[in-house]
Amino acid sequence: GDSVTQMEGPVTLSEEAFLTINCTYTATGYPSLFWYVQYPGEGLQLLLKATKADDKGSNKGFEATYRKETTSFHLEKGSVQVSDSAVYFCALSARSNDYKLSFGAGTTVTVRA
Amino acid sequence: KAGVTQTPRYLIKTRGQQVTLSCSPISGHRSVSWYQQTPGQGLQFLFEYFSETQRNKGNFPGRFSGRQFSNSRSEMNVSTLELGDSALYLCASSLYGGLDYGYTFGSGTRLTVV
Repeated sequence: GDSVTQMEGPVTLSEEAFLTINCTYTATGYPSLFWYVQYPGEGLQLLLKATKADDKGSNKGFEATYRKETTSFHLEKGSVQVSDSAVYFCALSARSNDYKLSFGAGTTVTVRA
Repeated sequence: KAGVTQTPRYLIKTRGQQVTLSCSPISGHRSVSWYQQTPGQGLQFLFEYFSETQRNKGNFPGRFSGRQFSNSRSEMNVSTLELGDSALYLCASSLYGGLDYGYTFGSGTRLTVV
């Protein structure tokens, strides 16, 4: 079935460092891809999405590009802040999966001042 | 506009009891999905309702059930609670579900079974 694999954490960075979280997927057909963020004690917030190959999603300084050739959707941010400390989830939704979201395991990111 | 509202935020129940959780989606959204989040299993899909019909179901026992009302509000019920049902239960709403629309999540209901 459709699945998502993302890099394991935890990831600890200093402020203004560059962040990359790797995400690869397996899916039949052409899924939509998402990054969600979860702050402590809260639900999930949609960070960005891409619905077709070569689309770039971006929001709040985060970016991810839908790479069909490498089945990847890596999340990047050029200069992180303490407020970016959270758990990040990569997810996909596909017709073959009846549109439900399939999530990766999540990556915990801690940014130190 | 109002977001996805889940009530209650916290619940403590005893093994063997049953529990009902509620989710009010964003106005106009017709799809409501439920997910269970645990440290061990991560985020797992429970079921999705669309226009009062269950459209999709995950691999959970029959103790887990749900329904959706004509105003798109949804409830999920867990009967005969087990310790392993302790989790954060998240509800997500979407215009139609599917490929092109993001899902908006509520803050969740934290269920503790003792």
